[in-house]
Amino acid sequence: EPEVTQTPSHQVTQMGQEVILRCVPISNHLYFYWYRQILGQKVEFLVSFYNNEISEKSEIFDDQFSVERPDGSNFTLKIRSTKLEDSAMYFCASSRRGDTQYFGPGTRLTVL
Amino acid sequence: SQQGEEDPQALSIQEGENATMNCSYKTSINNLQWYRQNSGRGLVHLILIRSNEREKHSGRLRVTLDTSKKSSSLLITASRAADTASYFCATGRPWETSGSRLTFGEGTQLTVNP
Repeated sequence: EPEVTQTPSHQVTQMGQEVILRCVPISNHLYFYWYRQILGQKVEFLVSFYNNEISEKSEIFDDQFSVERPDGSNFTLKIRSTKLEDSAMYFCASSRRGDTQYFGPGTRLTVL
Repeated sequence: SQQGEEDPQALSIQEGENATMNCSYKTSINNLQWYRQNSGRGLVHLILIRSNEREKHSGRLRVTLDTSKKSSSLLITASRAADTASYFCATGRPWETSGSRLTFGEGTQLTVNP
């Protein structure tokens, strides 16, 4: 069964550094999402993406964040200058029709 | 903003018993989805119920939706130790109004004792 994959599984970075989190959505899906979960808290929406553009973003998704679909298979989340409070599990999700969303296993980002 | 809230926060049962988790939300929705998360792992999609549906089944799972009360329940029958996990409800709105973002609740931690 097709799955969403994410790399790396764990990323450790220094405050102020740029990180890129990578996702490969399910191949025939058209809608893509990023969510994050700070340890012990609930899952929060960051951004949705369709037809090569951002459809909606949350208040968390400020100018430090950007998303890109550089080719036909990858979907990336970039954080330009990481802060301590960016430490979280980041989940990518994809959907064929914009309803059922399938999540990847997550990337645990630790900012030191 | 809409918000899913589950209760109870934690539930501990014996293997073979049924587990019921509830979810409430505040605004109108297009669908409601239930997910399972094992400790520190990814979210596994369990079931989606649309706003015009009242009940849905999938294997040992039964989901109900009452849009008048803005609530949903997830029933797991004949529970197994492997069902031990956190369960989240997530409400979705139409793509046109919100980019189909999901709003998650706090989750219910289910422990099934062998």
